[in-house]
Amino acid sequence: DADVTQTPRNRITKTGKRIMLECSQTKGHDRMYWYRQDPGLGLQLIYYSFDVKDINKGEISDGYSVSRQAQAKFSLSLESAIPNQTALYFCATSDLQGDGSYNEQFFGPGTRLTVL
Amino acid sequence: QKEVEQNSGPLSVPEGAIASLNCTYSDRGSQSFFWYRQYSGKSPELIMFIYSNGDKEDGRFTAQLNKASQYVSLLIRDSQPSDSATYLCAVNMGKSTFGDGTTLTVKP
Repeated sequence: DADVTQTPRNRITKTGKRIMLECSQTKGHDRMYWYRQDPGLGLQLIYYSFDVKDINKGEISDGYSVSRQAQAKFSLSLESAIPNQTALYFCATSDLQGDGSYNEQFFGPGTRLTVL
Repeated sequence: QKEVEQNSGPLSVPEGAIASLNCTYSDRGSQSFFWYRQYSGKSPELIMFIYSNGDKEDGRFTAQLNKASQYVSLLIRDSQPSDSATYLCAVNMGKSTFGDGTTLTVKP
């Protein structure tokens, strides 16, 4: 089974609808992230969480909200979807090394979201 | 100025050649540097990480870090068609910041 899973994998919705993207992980990592990727561009950080009680805004948080329900679950919501939120969304997890250095991020398979 | 910048692509090399990918970053306090490979429509996967100045080799891949000049590079030797992908540079100072990626095509 995959270590980082995302549901749904594809979603088509209409302008103004509220939708939720879900992410679950079995890696036991404390840190979780939500990214957005537009065609030809890199990953833009939406929100990140370093533990269940710690939620932080990223570069492009406007129009999005998150919930960290448990160490293993991190959900992204679009309160009122708009067409320019059409993108590929990735969830990722990471952890710290014992010496404090930063580990790689492990990505889920992505959710392709289309807002009409 | 973007926090992480990668050389503009696309980059095309013949099979067997060396592909060179470059990345510069603006935050001098950055500690960890990563190269991810992303195939079209797929999620990024780690291929190299480097924390210290100098070179780090792993098979056909070599990462080079120069903190004084604030650049990190990735060399791919004996390039194969399966190396054709977008390569993302990530710089981590608590949270990762990604470059826009360089798309590499290796032609048989």
